[in-house]
Amino acid sequence: DGGITQSPKYLFRKEGQNVTLSCEQNLNHDAMYWYRQDPGQGLRLIYYSQIVNDFQKGDIAEGYSVSREKKESFPLTVTSAQKNPTAFYLCASSRAGGLSYEQYFGPGTRLTVT
Amino acid sequence: AQSVTQPDIHITVSEGASLELRCNYSYGATPYLFWYVQSPGQGLQLLLKYFSGDTLVQGIKGFEAEFKRSQSSFNLRKPSVHWSDAAEYFCAVGLSSGSARQLTFGSGTQLTVLP
Repeated sequence: DGGITQSPKYLFRKEGQNVTLSCEQNLNHDAMYWYRQDPGQGLRLIYYSQIVNDFQKGDIAEGYSVSREKKESFPLTVTSAQKNPTAFYLCASSRAGGLSYEQYFGPGTRLTVT
Repeated sequence: AQSVTQPDIHITVSEGASLELRCNYSYGATPYLFWYVQSPGQGLQLLLKYFSGDTLVQGIKGFEAEFKRSQSSFNLRKPSVHWSDAAEYFCAVGLSSGSARQLTFGSGTQLTVLP
């Protein structure tokens, strides 16, 4: 079955530590995205990537970093510079190009930093 | 810049009743519009989408939405709600920015279904 995998589902870290969230897709999609979701605020775009070895900042990129070394993988690192990292993180992918904006979402990772 | 407004934070309906969730957008051109649903602790699932053509769009799970350009709205409807429809619903508008493809999401509407 094609889909998006995010691991782990729950992640706990101490303040000051970097943490990397995994996102893998086998949909053969060119574009991948990371969103942050906070209660009552909807989804906000952190980073997106249209092709391998290329990515762009979204609306709230500060304190985050990404890489896109493989088409299937788009890991997100939450650095110690992110002032309020506790949130629900969602990864998505879509076909790049054409008129298709449909994004397919993974199940999410809930990060708690104390 | 484009924006999406979902004016209702929380809606409660009885099972079997009709449902309408509101969505208004601000965008200079004809937008690409979407409705997503999210169950607690899960990712988002696409319910339906509008790109062009017929302004009444049918989606999965018996949902439909109507694009009204004059009102800048894309409201989601269902004639008879089921208990399993309880979830959070997000409206989103598609943006084309150069070669980028982005979605801007509304803040969501939480739906509670009473037995």
